Parts: sequence; structure tokens; C-alpha cells
Amino acid sequence: QKEVEQDPGPLSVPEGAIVSLNCTYSNSAFQYFMWYRQYSRKGPELLMYTYSSGNKEDGRFTAQVDKSSKYISLFIRDSQPSDSATYLCAMRANFGNEKLTFGTGTRLTIIP
Amino acid sequence: DGGITQSPKYLFRKEGQNVTLSCEQNLNHDAMYWYRQDPGQGLRLIYYSQIVNDFQKGDIAEGYSVSREKKESFPLTVTSAQKNPTAFYLCASRPFRDTKNTEAFFGQGTRLTVV
Repeated sequence: QKEVEQDPGPLSVPEGAIVSLNCTYSNSAFQYFMWYRQYSRKGPELLMYTYSSGNKEDGRFTAQVDKSSKYISLFIRDSQPSDSATYLCAMRANFGNEKLTFGTGTRLTIIP
Repeated sequence: DGGITQSPKYLFRKEGQNVTLSCEQNLNHDAMYWYRQDPGQGLRLIYYSQIVNDFQKGDIAEGYSVSREKKESFPLTVTSAQKNPTAFYLCASRPFRDTKNTEAFFGQGTRLTVV
């Protein structure tokens, strides 16, 4: 079983819809949770960074972490065609721990 | 503009050849990383370096080698011992003495194909 599970999709939604992307994990030591967006043939870019449990909002994006359920989510409101990309979750145990553990990524398409 | 530059963007290698992928950053970051990305497997860590002249193996270091002679540069050599080198290679960096919201910055990647 992988430490981080992420549904690979593909996921297609109409423009303007709310998108929900999720990851589950098995390692209870994970404390730092990241979401990256990756356009085709490009490097990932950091979207959201959350420490421990709770919510964080940045514009149309909201990241949620539920450590009790070992479940993290990324919500995208008012989705735009430019949001079409692969979304990767990533996690890390300690602040000084260099290793990020990534999910496999969910491919998202926003239909105009 | 500050950033991470990977070159070349596309690289073709014959069986039995060693090839070197370049990664340069002008962000003054201490730590640098090499990841490999394959379809359906996410990103896997090959090597990382926290300071000059020091580097550590990641999860899939076999068949790869690195050097860190300068803070700005972290080249990756894919040797002939790497049995399945065709993949998308990503370089990343971040300050070693990290502060919140300064996770790894990624380059644009090198796609390596064995022909």
C-alpha cells in the first residue's frame, strides 16, 4: 500500500463548478501538507501549504487537512479553463525532514 | 528573474551511454533535489543535497550519480547502470534554513528518452 493515495482521474467538470481533489495517507507522522499544480510538460508549482489540521484559503483555492481521518482536500471555486492541469498532493513529517512524499496526481479538465 | 533552469528540455540517449542533466539556480537556495516522474507513480526522490560538497541518496538512487561543487549547480548523471531511464526529470531547490511557505521550487524538467 502506498503511503499517499490519490485518485488519478481524469476528472472533467464544467467551467464555474466547484472542484474537490483529495488525498489519503497512512503515515500519522505527516504534519506538512502541500498541493502543487503541474501543467503538461512543465514543472510543478506550489499552490497551497498547510501545517497540521485545519483550513487555509487563498483566493479561489481552499486546502483542508483532517489528520484524524488522514485525509486532505483541495477545493477550487469558480473553476476556470486555466485550472486544467494535474494536481499533486505532497506531505512531509518534520520541518527539517527533506523528503516530500507525493501522490500520483489527479488530472483535471475544466470544460468551457 | 530568479529561478531554476534545467537543460536540455529533451534528451535522447543510446543504450549503454551516460548522460548528464543540468540544473542551475540563482535563488541562493542551500538545498537542491532531483526527482523522477513516471506516469502513475508520482514524483520519486533520486538524490538531494543540503550544502555544497555533500549529498544524500533518495529512494531510487541506483544508476544515478550527482555532484555539488557549487551552490548554484546540482548536475545529475544517468549512468548505463540505470535499467529504465526513460522518464521526466525534475530539479528543485529551497533554503535549508526554511521558513513557512518556502517549499521546493521546481525547474521545468528534462524529458529523457532512451533510443
